[in-house]
Parts: sequence; structure tokens; C-alpha cells
Amino acid sequence: DTEVTQTPKHLVMGMTNKKSLKCEQHMGHRAMYWYKQKAKKPPELMFVYSYEKLSINESVPSRFSPECPNSSLLNLHLHALQPEDSALYLCASSQVQGSGPQHFGDGTRLSIL
Amino acid sequence: DAKTTQPTSMDCAEGRAANLPCNHSTISGNEYVYWYRQIHSQGPQYIIHGLKNNETNEMASLIITEDRKSSTLILPHATLRDTAVYYCIVRGDGGSQGNLIFGKGTKLSVKP
Repeated sequence: DTEVTQTPKHLVMGMTNKKSLKCEQHMGHRAMYWYKQKAKKPPELMFVYSYEKLSINESVPSRFSPECPNSSLLNLHLHALQPEDSALYLCASSQVQGSGPQHFGDGTRLSIL
Repeated sequence: DAKTTQPTSMDCAEGRAANLPCNHSTISGNEYVYWYRQIHSQGPQYIIHGLKNNETNEMASLIITEDRKSSTLILPHATLRDTAVYYCIVRGDGGSQGNLIFGKGTKLSVKP
């Protein structure tokens, strides 16, 4: 069982829809991460939050909008996505940014029609 | 880019030790070696990490060569549930230096 919970597990949306992915952890971690993983490829870092502030944006298109409402929650707001954005979106957390193990959720599998 | 080189795939018989190699010839003195694995349809799972010394936990052992240019992850008694992609990652400590940059990993298949 994972200590990082992601919802929903699966999401199908059209290119004009707006949806959000959610991630929650209750380990007291102060760093949270979003990764994107295309089929048969390794995960790629998208965003890093440290103490609820955006620390790293790896040149992600603005149709992906992250939000960290509090230290336990991380959202990824989606709008006007493209078919090539179909992927597994993974959330992770660690005690502090860039140090020690990261704990991953099982991801949201997103399909864009 | 990933700083490590791993074999694309490996097979292991159930109950035998699985030894997964990783080359990281450009590793810096303050960089750690981390191992994760990803079982199909799950997120990556942390296994073990080390700096210079060999490390062991309930999941695996990590052997780092004295020059730190390579390492080996050892699963002492592989089971079918150990079938996964195993990632060896070199990372610094703190801030963006500690970003996880995943390479292609090794697909380990444990066979009955």
C-alpha cells in the first residue's frame, strides 16, 4: 500500500474539458512533486513544491497548472490538453526538497480524446 | 540526462539472487546512488540508497565499488513479485541537485 494517495486512478477527458488531479500525503513531508510518464518511458519531473511554494517548473506548458493548497495536498489542474498529454501522472513526496527518499503514489492514468 | 548506465533487461530464476549492475563513472563525491523499482501499473518504489559504504535493508543490499564508479543491487531471494523495472539514479543532496532523473532502467523478469 502506498502512503501517497492519488485520485482519480483513471481519467478520460476531451480536449476542451477542465479537470483536476489530486494527491494527498499525511507523512508530514514538506516537498511534493508531479511527474509525467509516457508508455514504456521513465518518469519525467514536471513540478516541485517546497513548503507549499512552487520551486521548480521544468518548462511545462501552461495548460498544466499546479496548486499546493496546504502541506498535505497537491493538485494538478488540466485545461485544453492535447492527445499527446495522455500519460500516467505520478505524485511523490519527500521530507524536504531533493533530499532523502521520495514516496510515490500509483498515479492517475490520463487519456485525452 | 541520466548519469547511469544499466542493462536493458535481465532474467533471474525464482529463489535465486538477482544482481543488477549500474555504471555511474561520472559520479561526484557528494552524490548518492539511489535505487527504485516500478512494478507494472504502480508508481516507483524506493528500495535503497548509499553514498560510499555498502548498505542493506529488508528489501535488498547495495554494493558500491571503492572508486564509486559502479554499484550492484542485490535481491537475495528473488520472487515472482520482484518482476519490475529497476532504476539506478545518481543524485545530489538538497534543492534541484536532488532531483530524480530516471534513466531507462533494467527490466528484471523473475521466472519460475
